[in-house]
Amino acid sequence: QQPVQSPQAVILREGEDAVINCSSSKALYSVHWYRQKHGEAPVFLMILLKGGEQKGHEKISASFNEKKQQSSLYLTASQLSYSGTYFCGTELGAGNMLTFGGGTRLMVKP
Amino acid sequence: NAGVTQTPKFQVLKTGQSMTLQCAQDMNHEYMSWYRQDPGMGLRLIHYSVGAGITDQGEVPNGYNVSRSTTEDFPLRLLSAAPSQTSVYFCASSSGLRGPQYFGPGTRLTVT
Repeated sequence: QQPVQSPQAVILREGEDAVINCSSSKALYSVHWYRQKHGEAPVFLMILLKGGEQKGHEKISASFNEKKQQSSLYLTASQLSYSGTYFCGTELGAGNMLTFGGGTRLMVKP
Repeated sequence: NAGVTQTPKFQVLKTGQSMTLQCAQDMNHEYMSWYRQDPGMGLRLIHYSVGAGITDQGEVPNGYNVSRSTTEDFPLRLLSAAPSQTSVYFCASSSGLRGPQYFGPGTRLTVT
């Protein structure tokens, strides 16, 4: 079952912060985050494993809440280069292949 | 390293034609996958492989075949193209199930 991402789209000014959520109705074992720019392939950002850890990549970090079966991606002090579509991919059962959400379109304006 | 390569980049087929999308990786990854991405939608898994000689179906396998005779190559075959298969196809590889997936540049397929 596909994870649900929210919001579907967000527009920011440079320097503003954003949060993108990824929720599942099933138990999650890992959550992957990817960013895709228009006309390009998705690019890996980070993986969070079951255990509620938080990871960071530049000014982008993420958390994994096991109780809520949810992961959140935090974009701090956004830059123009952050624009793109963000996808979460979830491992719904141990050893299962990733199922991706529908994506969140992020646009950062000057 | 070239990473993950895909050919062709663009293809137009007529309904009923067959073709093979090529995918190769030079990172010695065991896991390889094929996804399709439709406008405004996420990535849907078509088929995947956890090693040479081992393949399995994903979410949307109908109309597609795969084989994995070597670690490097993972071709996707469209048996009889249909307009519903118009999409962008991405191949990806990873060192393990929980490793980062590296995507190829994609093949944009149009079926008329």
